[in-house]
Amino acid sequence: GEDVEQSLFLSVREGDSSVINCTYTDSSSTYLYWYKQEPGAGLQLLTYIFSNMDMKQDQRLTVLLNKKDKHLSLRIADTQTGDSAIYFCAESVHGSSNTGKLIFGQGTTLQVKP
Amino acid sequence: DTGVSQDPRHKITKRGQNVTFRCDPISEHNRLYWYRQTLGQGPEFLTYFQNEAQLEKSRLLSDRFSAERPKGSFSTLEIQRTEQGDSAMYLCASSSRRLAGEAYEQFFGPGTRLTVL
Repeated sequence: GEDVEQSLFLSVREGDSSVINCTYTDSSSTYLYWYKQEPGAGLQLLTYIFSNMDMKQDQRLTVLLNKKDKHLSLRIADTQTGDSAIYFCAESVHGSSNTGKLIFGQGTTLQVKP
Repeated sequence: DTGVSQDPRHKITKRGQNVTFRCDPISEHNRLYWYRQTLGQGPEFLTYFQNEAQLEKSRLLSDRFSAERPKGSFSTLEIQRTEQGDSAMYLCASSSRRLAGEAYEQFFGPGTRLTVL
C-alpha cells in the first residue's frame, strides 16, 4: 500500500543546514513534494521533484531523491528562525483514475534556535 | 486570485449534531480535494472532485460523510451525527494542470477546525 514516513522532530541552530528525511513505498509515484505548514496557515508547496530526477535545487532548498531506496530528503541551507514550521513529504498517486491525490507523511517539526 | 477559502474557520458542536463546511476553490480550478488532518499527523485524503463529478472517495469517508460540488464551483462537506473522533482539521485544496507532465500543484485553504464535544 501507500505509505510515507518521516522523522518527527529536528532542531538546528540558525545559520546551520537542516536535512529532513522521508521514505515512501509506492514505486509508481510520479512526483514527490515538500510542503510547509505554519501555525494558523494552510499548507504551502515548497518544492517538488519528478521521479526520474536525482536532485533539484531551488535557492536555499535542495531535494535529493534515491529512487532505488525510495528515500527523499530536503536540505535547507542557512536555516533561519522563519523556517521553523512543520514540513511534510508527500507523494502523488495517480493510478487508473489519475486523481493526483496526495499521500502525506506525518510531518517533521523543525525548530530553529537563534 | 484570492486563494482557496474555507468557511467556517472553527466549528464547535455537540456529539450527534450535523455540521456542514464550505470550500471555495481558486476560480477555474477544475480539481478539488478534501483532506482531514488530526493533531500530530499529516493530512489524509478524503475525496476528490473533477468539475462536479465525485471521482474518488477514501475508505475514511464513512456513510455519515457526504460531499458535493454542484456546478463544479464551491464544494460542501457534511458530517451527520458527529462523533468525538470526527474532531480534526478539514482541509480543502484545488488544482489545475500547472506543473510539468502529470503533476498538479494543489493549493490548500486554511482549513476548518472541528471540535466535537
